[in-house]
Amino acid sequence: ELKVEQNPLFLSMQEGKNYTIYCNYSTTSDRLYWYRQDPGKSLESLFVLLSNGAVKQEGRLMASLDTKARLSTLHITAAVHDLSATFFCAGSGGSNYKLTFGKGTLLTVNP
Amino acid sequence: NAGVTQTPKFQVLKTGQSMTLQCAQDMNHNSMYWYRQDPGMGLRLIYYSASEGTTDKGEVPNGYNVSRLNKREFSLRLESAAPSQTSVYFCASSLGPTGELFFGEGSRLTVL
Repeated sequence: ELKVEQNPLFLSMQEGKNYTIYCNYSTTSDRLYWYRQDPGKSLESLFVLLSNGAVKQEGRLMASLDTKARLSTLHITAAVHDLSATFFCAGSGGSNYKLTFGKGTLLTVNP
Repeated sequence: NAGVTQTPKFQVLKTGQSMTLQCAQDMNHNSMYWYRQDPGMGLRLIYYSASEGTTDKGEVPNGYNVSRLNKREFSLRLESAAPSQTSVYFCASSLGPTGELFFGEGSRLTVL
């Protein structure tokens, strides 16, 4: 059964700084998702990573996937306050219909 | 576009009461899901429906039942609510297996 671990679980950043969130998964996953959840809101899909070496970027966020290391990263460049949210990664465990989510990383960007 | 719509958004129940959470999607998706979200636990899958007419248990199905009423609608029923079921419930849908999930706005349930 697929297990997904994110770290850190809590991240307090200063505006303008860079940081990376890590997502490790335990077994083969044919795709890896990143979602964002603003406080009190629903989840919004950010990126879908389908193959080894895949890199996706939008604004200050860049996600990458290393299937050999079973690792995905979400890199934040020059953080701004409106990036404060919880970020989840999720993997698919093969042929089933279920995504397994990590516990989420609560990101707080301070002025 | 409505996307995934859940009702109600908020509900307070007493222990032992029953209720049904309703979910509908208008994206012609085949698969639908119910998750619960608790602090520090991420999202945990309760039940899912891979396609119309099928339902399967997820990670935490005890105390819940589901009905895939048609392709659009997937409901979650609590027959005898317990305080441990206090949570935020999210319905989601996807085009197919392991596809990108689209979430509803969530239903906050408190069981006293």
